[in-house]
Amino acid sequence: AIRITQSPSSLSASTGDRVTITCRASQGLSSYLAWYQQKPGKAPKLLISAASTLHSGVPSRFSGSGSGTDFTLTITYLQSEDFATYYCQQYHTYPLTFGGGTKVEI
Amino acid sequence: EVQLVESGGGLVQPGGSLRLSCAASGFGFSTYAMTWVRQAPGKGLDWVSGISGSGGSTYYADSVKGRFTISRDNSKNTLYLHLNSLRADDTAVYYCAKIPAGGDVFDIWGQGTMVTVSS
Repeated sequence: AIRITQSPSSLSASTGDRVTITCRASQGLSSYLAWYQQKPGKAPKLLISAASTLHSGVPSRFSGSGSGTDFTLTITYLQSEDFATYYCQQYHTYPLTFGGGTKVEI
Repeated sequence: EVQLVESGGGLVQPGGSLRLSCAASGFGFSTYAMTWVRQAPGKGLDWVSGISGSGGSTYYADSVKGRFTISRDNSKNTLYLHLNSLRADDTAVYYCAKIPAGGDVFDIWGQGTMVTVSS
């Protein structure tokens, strides 16, 4: 199975900050990588697919980049509602796999 | 409104069985592949199983292969996950999710149903 290493596992930030989260895959994914946001007690929400395509309704302060094995999620000008846990997921090969998550805390 | 509602979770003894259901509404259910993802308490997301729109193709994580069975009834707009030979490490919230056309990502999620495996 493809392993996804996500870093950092947690970070502290303030509103207005720029935040960057990375995922590294154990083998090339082309652009088959998605990002999700999850708040406590809630289901995850899709933010980005195909490494950089923003899902409908997702604010433009979220952006994704990368291809192959290295990917980045960037949140520019962090808002209070962005404090959550973020996961990447590869869909290049079954079994589908997730990164371990990054908790963005105040 | 597009909606997925899971049910069927609960407390079950190790070695026991359970059937989870996911009722879909607001979209052409039979057109879309569907999936189950679980999350153990305090842990990350863990993909479990997927099924094509017709039900003809199914996929499983190695950890559940041979123990869990995914199925769907397109006439009832319902997705199922049959859990057998349950173990303590199967304890988790189980989410169903819809897979949009064009890629195995999960664009619509249910609220989840909790499965606890304990004696």
